[in-house]
Amino acid sequence: GEDVEQSLFLSVREGDSSVINCTYTDSSSTYLYWYKQEPGAGLQLLTYIFSNMDMKQDQRLTVLLNKKDKHLSLRIADTQTGDSAIYFCAEPTYGGSQGNLIFGKGTKLSVKP
Amino acid sequence: EPEVTQTPSHQVTQMGQEVILRCVPISNHLYFYWYRQILGQKVEFLVSFYNNEISEKSEIFDDQFSVERPDGSNFTLKIRSTKLEDSAMYFCASTTSGGVYEQYFGPGTRLTVT
Repeated sequence: GEDVEQSLFLSVREGDSSVINCTYTDSSSTYLYWYKQEPGAGLQLLTYIFSNMDMKQDQRLTVLLNKKDKHLSLRIADTQTGDSAIYFCAEPTYGGSQGNLIFGKGTKLSVKP
Repeated sequence: EPEVTQTPSHQVTQMGQEVILRCVPISNHLYFYWYRQILGQKVEFLVSFYNNEISEKSEIFDDQFSVERPDGSNFTLKIRSTKLEDSAMYFCASTTSGGVYEQYFGPGTRLTVT
């Protein structure tokens, strides 16, 4: 079945770049997602990438997609203490854009001043 | 900005009791979902709901669980007889279409079963 894997922890210094990596299994997924969960809060859709793209940039966020290796990454430039959160990679259950989401375990990003 | 809301934020109940978790999806959304996250584990899909019926459910969503849209705004998850292992954060989500892009999540209800 589908699965999404992420490393569990990442620690960076304020001002550095953060790179959070994810691998997924369903190559037919049309969209791949990054969600952010701040302490005590729900899941916030951070960004997503369409599968025909290799890269998507949105201000400080850059998403890279390697479909061949089924690898997705999220780069946060100039990381701030407010970026400290858990970041979840997710793909749709049935590939394409339909169905429900399968999440990774989440990567806890800690930003040190 | 419109948002999904959930109540209560924290629910403590005794094993064997019934609980109802409430969600108010975004008003023009048509598809509704429940997910749960056991502490330290992945966010897991429970059920999706469209046009007043269940569209899809996971193997977690057994006969102890039910969902309802009792009026035009609320979407509820009922657990008939709670077990210790039901302790988790429960998230409601909604979207305008069946596509999962722009799936909006609520802040969650933390359910603690003692």
